[in-house]
Amino acid sequence: DVKVTQSSRYLVKRTGEKVFLECVQDMDHENMFWYRQDPGLGLRLIYFSYDVKMKEKGDIPEGYSVSREKKERFSLILESASTNQTSMYLCASIFSRGNNSPLHFGNGTRLTVT
Amino acid sequence: ILNVEQSPQSLHVQEGDSTNFTCSFPSSNFYALHWYRWETAKSPEALFVMTLNGDEKKKGRISATLNTKEGYSYLYIKGSQPEDSATYLCAFNDYKLSFGAGTTVTVRA
Repeated sequence: DVKVTQSSRYLVKRTGEKVFLECVQDMDHENMFWYRQDPGLGLRLIYFSYDVKMKEKGDIPEGYSVSREKKERFSLILESASTNQTSMYLCASIFSRGNNSPLHFGNGTRLTVT
Repeated sequence: ILNVEQSPQSLHVQEGDSTNFTCSFPSSNFYALHWYRWETAKSPEALFVMTLNGDEKKKGRISATLNTKEGYSYLYIKGSQPEDSATYLCAFNDYKLSFGAGTTVTVRA
């Protein structure tokens, strides 16, 4: 069974802090995604990566950056956290976007920026 | 931003009743349409990945249909049970995997 692990379940940070959210998957998946979930807005795509060192912007990349130095790890970085980045963050991976594989999700990180 | 829309946003169903709801998506650049169930305090769980126009998939009491030419998919729940209470998300795979806002289903005993 695929396991996607997010390093923290809950996180509280101060405005202006640099924040790292880590995600690791154990099934050699090519593609990894970061979403945020806000009430009434569903899951919105922040960034995704289709290979090591490759990244593409999603629908709401402003205020975020990502890093994928190893295939199994995809990090989301908030360079200077702001209160409007308080949200639930979900990492997901998929073997290939071009076939009928489903996404596998981590448990989520609930980030509060005060 | 890709426009994936789900309706209704929420619905309440009496136990034993059947229900259905919709996901609409662009009809171009289609790779696949995904359905997920998201229960409170859990991760979203894949229900179906549908790739062909006219596809119908079934998992227990839940089924889904796909029309890629007109850009919609229906999810059906037959004989709703309290454990079906969840948010149901669809995702359009045009190589990017964008989600709709979800339909939250509450089944009343």
